[in-house]
Amino acid sequence: GAVVSQHPSRVICKSGTSVKIECRSLDFQATTMFWYRQFPKQSLMLMATSNEGSKATYEQGVEKDKFLINHASLTLSTLTVTSAHPEDSSFYICSASWKNPSTDTQYFGPGTRLTVL
Amino acid sequence: AQSVTQPDIHITVSEGASLELRCNYSYGATPYLFWYVQSPGQGLQLLLKYFSGDTLVQGIKGFEAEFKRSQSSFNLRKPSVHWSDAAEYFCAVGRNNAGNMLTFGGGTRLMVKP
Repeated sequence: GAVVSQHPSRVICKSGTSVKIECRSLDFQATTMFWYRQFPKQSLMLMATSNEGSKATYEQGVEKDKFLINHASLTLSTLTVTSAHPEDSSFYICSASWKNPSTDTQYFGPGTRLTVL
Repeated sequence: AQSVTQPDIHITVSEGASLELRCNYSYGATPYLFWYVQSPGQGLQLLLKYFSGDTLVQGIKGFEAEFKRSQSSFNLRKPSVHWSDAAEYFCAVGRNNAGNMLTFGGGTRLMVKP
């Protein structure tokens, strides 16, 4: 099956710093990547959708200037949490899919746990 | 707007017993429905999906789900649970036929007693 990786798996940073999370599709070209946020014991909330080579589409209530998304290639998308604060601490999960009418499924990465001190 | 409800936050079953996890959705058009399982340290894994056709869908690991339009439900079932099935299960509805733009339910944590 399709494999999606995330790096790092866990990061701790100081308040006010920026953190970059990478999402890679290892064995397929992802035309679309998604970024989700999951709070403890809660469900995944879609933050944004990104298509390769174009600007990301953010969900309502998600600050695009705080959560910068770059989808520069068909195998890599990055999420940068700028000027992180403790309330940004969460589990961030990416997923990737490609255009195939019969098998268009999202494949999820293992997630990145961000802790902001 | 679409929404997904998983009424049971926690469920505990004995190993070998049958399992049913409930999922109710609200969506204006024909729903595209999914069940995912999340294990610690691993990404969400797709168990099964329903786009159209037969309303009883077979998935991996012995799971199945039945789409009931009249009840707006897509319950997940397994006839005999294994200890390795202990995990968090998420039902989701897709906003278009590509399964993109998923809206997830709150999840059900399954615990398996020996």
